[in-house]
Amino acid sequence: DGGITQSPKYLFRKEGQNVTLSCEQNLNHDAMYWYRQDPGQGLRLIYYSQIVNDFQKGDIAEGYSVSREKKESFPLTVTSAQKNPTAFYLCASSKRDISNEQFFGPGTRLTVL
Amino acid sequence: SQELEQSPQSLIVQEGKNLTINCTSSKTLYGLYWYKQKYGEGLIFLMMLQKGGEEKSHEKITAKLDEKKQQSSLHITASQPSHAGIYLCGADDVSGSARQLTFGSGTQLTVLP
Repeated sequence: DGGITQSPKYLFRKEGQNVTLSCEQNLNHDAMYWYRQDPGQGLRLIYYSQIVNDFQKGDIAEGYSVSREKKESFPLTVTSAQKNPTAFYLCASSKRDISNEQFFGPGTRLTVL
Repeated sequence: SQELEQSPQSLIVQEGKNLTINCTSSKTLYGLYWYKQKYGEGLIFLMMLQKGGEEKSHEKITAKLDEKKQQSSLHITASQPSHAGIYLCGADDVSGSARQLTFGSGTQLTVLP
């Protein structure tokens, strides 16, 4: 079955540590996205990539970094520079055709201790 | 950038009652997407609307886009506990160089048995 997987489901990090969240898709989608969701708020775009080896900053990219070395994978690193990293992180992908419908992974909940 | 306002922020209804959730944009909507999210999980695509006056239905959920393409509504008929969750609207953001989605803050729906 095609879909998007994110791992781990829950992640705990000490202050000052970098941590990497995994996102993999087997939908053959060109575009991939990372969002952050805080309680009572909608989704805010962190980074997106429309093609392999290329990515752009979203609205809240500070303190985060990404790579897109393979079409299937778009890992997100939360660095120690991110001042408030505790949140729910969602990865999505889309075909980039007429519709911009995005398919979402199950999410990773990051907690900084 | 485009802003989406959802109302109400939260809604509690008795099972069997009808309800409506609204999504209003500050700009013309070129593509409007409705998603549902269970707490702590990813988003599930419900419907997409593009044309003014368009209406789509799936089971007991109907979504409409007004003629001016600045407001969309999501209507649930005879609500059930399975309808509970967070409903988010997303819109194509055509102001940037790449096609992205801007999301509303969501409506938390509780259905009492």
